[in-house]
Amino acid sequence: ETGVTQTPRHLVMGMTNKKSLKCEQHLGHNAMYWYKQSAKKPLELMFVYNFKEQTENNSVPSRFSPECPNSSHLFLHLHTLQPEDSALYLCASSQGAGSYEQYFGPGTRLTVT
Amino acid sequence: GENVEQHPSTLSVQEGDSAVIKCTYSDSASNYFPWYKQELGKGPQLIIDIRSNVGEKKDQRIAVTLNKTAKHFSLHITETQPEDSAVYFCATGVNTGNQFYFGTGTSLTVIP
Repeated sequence: ETGVTQTPRHLVMGMTNKKSLKCEQHLGHNAMYWYKQSAKKPLELMFVYNFKEQTENNSVPSRFSPECPNSSHLFLHLHTLQPEDSALYLCASSQGAGSYEQYFGPGTRLTVT
Repeated sequence: GENVEQHPSTLSVQEGDSAVIKCTYSDSASNYFPWYKQELGKGPQLIIDIRSNVGEKKDQRIAVTLNKTAKHFSLHITETQPEDSAVYFCATGVNTGNQFYFGTGTSLTVIP
């Protein structure tokens, strides 16, 4: 256990659905991240939150909407997704943004039908 | 932006042999180089990291070497064991930045 939990672990949704992914860290960290992991591709950073403030948004489509209500919780709201959005979505946290060790959750395997 | 290349994409070794995975990067500002191990059904886990003021770091059976001039760094695993089988990712980061750049991963299989 890394101290970072994600729910649900698996999610199947249609293109017209709205769903949310949840991440929680129990490490007292200040920075949280969303990554997308697709087969044969590097991990893609989607969003970074540092002290609840969004500091990075790597040109992610608006159908992905992050929310960070406090330093321990991070959500990814999904709506009108495309089949190519099917992937493993990983949450991570670190003491601070920058060159600090990142602790990853187990991920949510998302399938868009 | 940074471009990280990782080789090989797959690697099979006999138990007890050594495994070496190499990464190159393009951004000379990168100064933090972590390696992550990802087992099936789990998220990546940091196994070792190195900063640019150090050329080599070792932790039991794993070691990382860094050549800043050539912009490459490598992971070395000695006396491999079946539980070392996993996907390994290299990454680069900058002290003042907010993100890491990851390689495409190496699937390591240790054959008993």
